[in-house]
Amino acid sequence: KQEVTQIPAALSVPEGENLVLNCSFTDSAIYNLQWFRQDPGKGLTSLLLIQSSQREQTSGRLNASLDKSSGRSTLYIAASQPGDSATYLCAVINNDMRFGAGTRLTVKP
Amino acid sequence: DTAVSQTPKYLVTQMGNDKSIKCEQNLGHDTMYWYKQDSKKFLKIMFSYNNKELIINETVPNRFSPKSPDKAHLNLHINSLELGDSAVYFCASSHPRLAGIGGELFFGEGSRLTVL
Repeated sequence: KQEVTQIPAALSVPEGENLVLNCSFTDSAIYNLQWFRQDPGKGLTSLLLIQSSQREQTSGRLNASLDKSSGRSTLYIAASQPGDSATYLCAVINNDMRFGAGTRLTVKP
Repeated sequence: DTAVSQTPKYLVTQMGNDKSIKCEQNLGHDTMYWYKQDSKKFLKIMFSYNNKELIINETVPNRFSPKSPDKAHLNLHINSLELGDSAVYFCASSHPRLAGIGGELFFGEGSRLTVL
């Protein structure tokens, strides 16, 4: 059964810093991996979708990488801003979709 | 236009009651899902329907019954509510099935259920 782990559970950084969020999964036979953002009391907003044949995806200040063989994905956020404060979740898709517990990011002005 | 919409957004009820949460998507997706997010913020899939057919049925109490009248709607009915049912329930949709190749998952805003 697929297990998804996100490290760290919480992260606090000063504004402007570059940061990396980690996601690891136990079963490398995946279709896709998707990164989401969740603001308090809100639903999930899709950030990036990486298909199994891809190694990375970029959107603005965000870059997500995927290494299926090692069961890892990273989400890189460049030049962080207070508005980036949220919980970031990764989801791994094979026969269903499994979520990590998330990393709660706080960017301090 | 809201892509995936759920109602109600908040639901407070007594133990033992029966309640429903409705979900509609206007994205033309074939597949819809229900997820439960507990107090620890962990998201767990409950059900998935593809074109009105149940394709994922995780181990949830049979007090939970999904119903898909058409591929744009997936409702969740909960019988005999218990305290442990308190959570945020998220509806989602994707195309193609299981958010596979080329697919992407879109979530509703969530329905916060509180059982007293």
